[in-house]
Amino acid sequence: GQNIDQPTEMTATEGAIVQINCTYQTSGFNGLFWYQQHAGEAPTFLSYNVLDGLEEKGRFSSFLSRSKGYSYLLLKELQMKDSASYLCAILKKAGTALIFGKGTTLSVSS
Amino acid sequence: SAVISQKPSRDICQRGTSLTIQCQVDSQVTMMFWYRQQPGQSLTLIATANQGSEATYESGFVIDKFPISRPNLTFSTLTVSNMSPEDSSIYLCSVEDHFYPNTEAFFGQGTRLTVV
Repeated sequence: GQNIDQPTEMTATEGAIVQINCTYQTSGFNGLFWYQQHAGEAPTFLSYNVLDGLEEKGRFSSFLSRSKGYSYLLLKELQMKDSASYLCAILKKAGTALIFGKGTTLSVSS
Repeated sequence: SAVISQKPSRDICQRGTSLTIQCQVDSQVTMMFWYRQQPGQSLTLIATANQGSEATYESGFVIDKFPISRPNLTFSTLTVSNMSPEDSSIYLCSVEDHFYPNTEAFFGQGTRLTVV
């Protein structure tokens, strides 16, 4: 079976830093995705981690620990436009579909 | 990267009718994936469509309700049949691009379906 857990909701203020955690238990693991989804829109790719460690892309960074079944998405210098749902998804094997967590709704206030 | 054109972007349909959603990819891909996202929920895989063979459906989804066509390596359709209000969701198609060790997964713009 598989289980992907992430917090349902988070709130933060403009300019702050927020960390969204994702823990997983799956029968196979190739890599982990993070997506951003604004209401009514399709998910937008943020990152893909296949190796342990931190990947940085501008204001967004993603971390993976395969041995701990743990990842986080770090958002720095938060902006109002960062208010969205953030989806953690597992790729068990290349060529198979992604398995999504339930998503974390982030609300950024001024 | 792959670009996916999905249509319609939204529709309002009467219960009992059917809607066919189309996805066109700008490159040839082996697998296409169809997802459903119910209001306030995350994405759930409906089926995997492989060109030249029948789609593989996930538990809880059946071919009679969600028939899929995959006539070539760049195109697929998903039909939502005999619709009821419970089918109101966003439907998304997706493809993956693998370039070891990385993978990217791309989504169509989504079809927002409301059944009344």
